[in-house]
Amino acid sequence: GNSVTQMEGPVTLSEEAFLTINCTYTATGYPSLFWYVQYPGEGLQLLLKATKADDKGSNKGFEATYRKETTSFHLEKGSVQVSDSAVYFCALSRGRTDYGGSQGNLIFGKGTKLSVKP
Amino acid sequence: NAGVTQTPKFQVLKTGQSMTLQCAQDMNHNSMYWYRQDPGMGLRLIYYSASEGTTDKGEVPNGYNVSRLNKREFSLRLESAAPSQTSVYFCASSLRGNTIYFGEGSWLTVV
Repeated sequence: GNSVTQMEGPVTLSEEAFLTINCTYTATGYPSLFWYVQYPGEGLQLLLKATKADDKGSNKGFEATYRKETTSFHLEKGSVQVSDSAVYFCALSRGRTDYGGSQGNLIFGKGTKLSVKP
Repeated sequence: NAGVTQTPKFQVLKTGQSMTLQCAQDMNHNSMYWYRQDPGMGLRLIYYSASEGTTDKGEVPNGYNVSRLNKREFSLRLESAAPSQTSVYFCASSLRGNTIYFGEGSWLTVV
């Protein structure tokens, strides 16, 4: 079945360091891939997404490229800030051809907690 | 900018008590979802509703019931709460085939 595996945390970095959070997936068909971020005490917010192979999602300095050949969607940021401290979730949904509720059935990784120190 | 609103935000229940978590969205979305979040487990889908009048089981439906009251509202009911249902619950919604938007979460403790 479909699944998402992301690197376990916590990850602790100094401000302005380079960030990579690994995410690999197993899926049939053509899933869409997502990164969500959860700040302390809040719900999840979409950070970026990619809907087909070789697409690059980007937002707020974060990037991730949909690599079908390696079934990966690693999250990167060149220079992290203290305000980036949060839990990051990689997720996939079923293929573009699924409609209705099934398209929104996201399968989440377990989350990676990032702490950025000044 | 309400988006997805869920209530209550915090609740403590005794084992065997019942309660309903309420969720409403004002984005005219077709689909709505209930997830639970547990430490080290990520989010798991409990139930979803593809459209008004339909509901389907997700990954972990046991011990829960849902009602899609209308297009805006989707409630989650615990008929007889158990300590294993201590969790953070998230309601979410999406327009068909598009981004999912989450509520801020409901922290439930069953003692």
